Amino acid sequence: KQEVTQIPAALSVPEGENLVLNCSFTDSAIYNLQWFRQDPGKGLTSLLLIQSSQREQTSGRLNASLDKSSGRSTLYIAASQPGDSATYLCAVSGTSYGKLTFGQGTILTVHP
Amino acid sequence: DAGITQSPRYKITETGRQVTLMCHQTWSHSYMFWYRQDLGHGLRLIYYSAAADITDKGEVPDGYVVSRSKTENFPLTLESATRSQTSVYFCASSEQGARVFGYTFGSGTRLTVV
Repeated sequence: KQEVTQIPAALSVPEGENLVLNCSFTDSAIYNLQWFRQDPGKGLTSLLLIQSSQREQTSGRLNASLDKSSGRSTLYIAASQPGDSATYLCAVSGTSYGKLTFGQGTILTVHP
Repeated sequence: DAGITQSPRYKITETGRQVTLMCHQTWSHSYMFWYRQDLGHGLRLIYYSAAADITDKGEVPDGYVVSRSKTENFPLTLESATRSQTSVYFCASSEQGARVFGYTFGSGTRLTVV
């Protein structure tokens, strides 16, 4: 059974810092990995999707890497802003159509 | 508006009652999913559907029933609600194509069983 772990569970940083969120998974036979953002009381917003054959994806200040063989992914956020405050979720799929297994998330607080 | 709409946003029901959570998508995505989100467990898949009239169980299907008579609708029914089904329920849709798919979540339904 696939298990996804995210570290740290919570993170509080001052505005402007670069930060790294970590995700690990137990079964390396994944099809892809996604990072989501969840604001309080809201649904999930997809941030980045990395196919199993890829090493990284970038979108603006976000960069996600994938090391499939070691079962790890990192989400790098550059020059953090208070608007980045949210819960960040990592999810892996063992299929091409997105039946996802989620980690429990990292709660990020960026204070001015 | 395009996207996924879940209704109701909030629901309080009594133990033993049947309750149906609605999910409607306008993307014409083939795949639809129901997840529940609980403290300490994160998001877990309840049921999913690959197309109209095709559904399958996820990780935690017991006590739930789904149907998909039309591509755009994927209702989730709790046949006899229990307190352990108090949770936030999310519907999602995706489309598979060229090894890349988009994944869209609804805003969720917060269900309380008393």
